Amino acid sequence: EVQLVESGGDLVQPGGSLRLSCAASGFSFSSNWMTWVRQAPGRGLEWVANIKQDESEKYYVDSVKGRFTISRDNAKNSLYLQMNSLRAEDTAVYYCASGGAVAGRYSYWGQGTLVTVSS
Amino acid sequence: DILMTQSPSSLSASVGDRVTITCRASQSITYYLNWYQQKPGKAPKLLIYAASSLQSGVPSRFSGSGSGTDFTLTISSLQPEDFATYYCQQTVSTPQTFGQGTKLDI
Repeated sequence: EVQLVESGGDLVQPGGSLRLSCAASGFSFSSNWMTWVRQAPGRGLEWVANIKQDESEKYYVDSVKGRFTISRDNAKNSLYLQMNSLRAEDTAVYYCASGGAVAGRYSYWGQGTLVTVSS
Repeated sequence: DILMTQSPSSLSASVGDRVTITCRASQSITYYLNWYQQKPGKAPKLLIYAASSLQSGVPSRFSGSGSGTDFTLTISSLQPEDFATYYCQQTVSTPQTFGQGTKLDI
């Protein structure tokens, strides 16, 4: 059974940092691009960042460039999102998803982890 | 960035109805278009990829069509479990943007 399990979401003050993790199992993690997608409360889906299998390519939405860093550890079947200089507008449920290559599809999704940025 | 625009934003329908949702890209994305279904409090679920290919395990009442800039998702006969929000997504270039969503309710 395929599983993606996110963790690390929390309440954090503006300007703070947080590291999200996504543990994968049941599929070939190291063979897949991986992506973070977020959803603000009551809003639609927003693509955040993706990473190639060997970390040689990483892409970010403009609103998080310079603040967020995506990474992965294929030996641990894990995906990460380091979030610095957090803003209120970063408040969202963060999902990890398998996929992200050009012309690809996001076949598997985690259940999401909630990040709340508030004083 | 490629802007994805869905219409309508919301739609009321009944069990058994045929429903069509449209998605328009701000530039050609050939057929690199996916459709997802999301229910409240749940993760999105892939329905259609590459504009018209049905994801494994998805009922055949769901179908997709289109190419270039204009795409449609059709549900041939609505079932109670289909009431949800639907999103299109382009994957031809990063950021791999989503449409704003179409909420389908009774």
